[in-house]
Amino acid sequence: AQKITQTQPGMFVQEKEAVTLDCTYDTSDQSYGLFWYKQPSSGEMIFLIYQGSYDEQNATEGRYSLNFQKARKSANLVISASQLGDSAMYFCAMRDGGSQGNLIFGKGTKLSVKP
Amino acid sequence: DGGITQSPKYLFRKEGQNVTLSCEQNLNHDAMYWYRQDPGQGLRLIYYSQIVNDFQKGDIAEGYSVSREKKESFPLTVTSAQKNPTAFYLCASSILPGTSGKYEQYFGPGTRLTVT
Repeated sequence: AQKITQTQPGMFVQEKEAVTLDCTYDTSDQSYGLFWYKQPSSGEMIFLIYQGSYDEQNATEGRYSLNFQKARKSANLVISASQLGDSAMYFCAMRDGGSQGNLIFGKGTKLSVKP
Repeated sequence: DGGITQSPKYLFRKEGQNVTLSCEQNLNHDAMYWYRQDPGQGLRLIYYSQIVNDFQKGDIAEGYSVSREKKESFPLTVTSAQKNPTAFYLCASSILPGTSGKYEQYFGPGTRLTVT
């Protein structure tokens, strides 16, 4: 069965420093996609970054980058130059290669940025 | 301004009552989804739909029902059969899976349902 594991329930980072949020996944599919979402206290889920299983380059979107290590089945999110507004819950999710396209979510990591 | 609207943001009901949560999107997406989120947990899929008048059960469909009469609308009914209905409910939409590699789901602001 497919599974997403986020082992860090909570993380602290100093403003302007970089932080890595861990995500490991389990799937037997060859084709899959990995997503990171941010959930501020307001509750809405905000899409951050996507990595396809066949993408050779690590995905980057502004201050967000995804450290994709396929052999280790890990897809860690790196946030550079943390800002106070980055304080939120962060969820890793995986979509399998099937036609349904449904997402499986991890339990999330709560990131707190300290001034 | 394209997006997904969910109303209301907070909803209170007495135990034993059915309640319907609305979800409307103007993104012209074919696929729509309903998720449930409990404190300290990730999102769990309740129902999804890829086409009007058709929908599929997700991982935790028991005690819930949906309809998809219009492309833009995907209301969720929490029935009295749902044993623990108090939760945060999120609606999402996306282009049809398979259309392209990356088809992220766009989420609404959510509805927090409290049943007492």
